Amino acid sequence: SQTIHQWPATLVQPVGSPLSLECTVEGTSNPNLYWYRQAAGRGLQLLFYSVGIGQISSEVPQNLSASRPQDRQFILSSKKLLLSDSGFYLCAWRASDYSYNEQFFGPGTRLTVL
Amino acid sequence: DAKTTQPTSMDCAEGRAANLPCNHSTISGNEYVYWYRQIHSQGPQYIIHGLKNNETNEMASLIITEDRKSSTLILPHATLRDTAVYYCIVRVARAYKYIFGTGTRLKVLA
Repeated sequence: SQTIHQWPATLVQPVGSPLSLECTVEGTSNPNLYWYRQAAGRGLQLLFYSVGIGQISSEVPQNLSASRPQDRQFILSSKKLLLSDSGFYLCAWRASDYSYNEQFFGPGTRLTVL
Repeated sequence: DAKTTQPTSMDCAEGRAANLPCNHSTISGNEYVYWYRQIHSQGPQYIIHGLKNNETNEMASLIITEDRKSSTLILPHATLRDTAVYYCIVRVARAYKYIFGTGTRLKVLA
């Protein structure tokens, strides 16, 4: 069966510090991968998605970036965090062979920027 | 992707059916209706999807109007654990992007 991991679960970072969040998927190959952010009390905002290694599509211009160094690894980064980067970050995957229609979400990382 | 409109919040008594509406008046012929829910501090969970016909699974039923401009998610016997934010999404089946709106916050009351 497939599983998705995210870490860390919670993170408190000062403004201006760098960020690296990691997501890995097990039990599937060549998944579509996604990063979302959810600000407190708000809906999910799609940040990035990837259909293959090294292929990243950005949905929202901001100080975040994403990378996919391996087939089942998706990394969200920032060189300098802003207060507005605080939120709940969710990684998700979807089967690229369309065997499933739905996305599967990880447990999320709650980021607080102080 | 077509835009969806959902009520901000709803209450439902425990044991009763919860009927969550979604308006998607600009949906195109090849776009499916998907429903997800998000329990507090967790990632969203897939519930059900459909194109034209009504659908039912172990979690819920999806009723799509004949003109496909709106749909209703039905939780037949709501429990306290169904308290969550419910998202209605319309998208082409093989499209890469999922655009989540703000959803409906359902509160099931004891």
